[in-house]
Amino acid sequence: DSGVTQTPKHLITATGQRVTLRCSPRSGDLSVYWYQQSLDQGLQFLIQYYNGEERAKGNILERFSAQQFPDLHSELNLSSLELGDSALYFCASSGRLGRAFFGQGTRLTVV
Amino acid sequence: DAKTTQPPSMDCAEGRAANLPCNHSTISGNEYVYWYRQIHSQGPQYIIHGLKNNETNEMASLIITEDRKSSTLILPHATLRDTAVYYCIVRGVDGGSQGNLIFGKGTKLSVKP
Repeated sequence: DSGVTQTPKHLITATGQRVTLRCSPRSGDLSVYWYQQSLDQGLQFLIQYYNGEERAKGNILERFSAQQFPDLHSELNLSSLELGDSALYFCASSGRLGRAFFGQGTRLTVV
Repeated sequence: DAKTTQPPSMDCAEGRAANLPCNHSTISGNEYVYWYRQIHSQGPQYIIHGLKNNETNEMASLIITEDRKSSTLILPHATLRDTAVYYCIVRGVDGGSQGNLIFGKGTKLSVKP
């Protein structure tokens, strides 16, 4: 158990819909990262937050947005969903020691 | 883009040491070398990291060359459960907030009986 909790574990939704993925970081970790992994593809970095502020942005689509709340949990919002958005979405958190720990992911299926 | 180069795949016999190489010739002085692995669609798992000295923990050893341009992850006694994709990542530390982790394609390690 990495200590990073992602909910839900599985999500099935229709094209055009909007979903929210949630991530609870390890206790005390200030940094949260989001990644997308499509079938048989690599891990694509989407966005990083540090203590509530956006720290770095990767290949995140304009239809996607994220935020980190004062209690340090984070949400990734995906809107106007397309079939190609079907993927595993991972959240990771890291603290002062630098090691990032990953959750078990949310498997999103867009039908 | 990832700052590292790894072989796409490697095989290792069960019980033998697995040595996974990584080139990071453009690494800068404040960047660490991190290793993660991902076992079949599970969340990536932290293995080890280092700056310039060799490191060892309960999972693996990390050997970094003196010029820091390459490193080797060593799994001393590979088991079938070590079959995974292994990622070598160069990551900076900036003002107290860690740099982001950029994953390349990694090395698919297959441990065979």
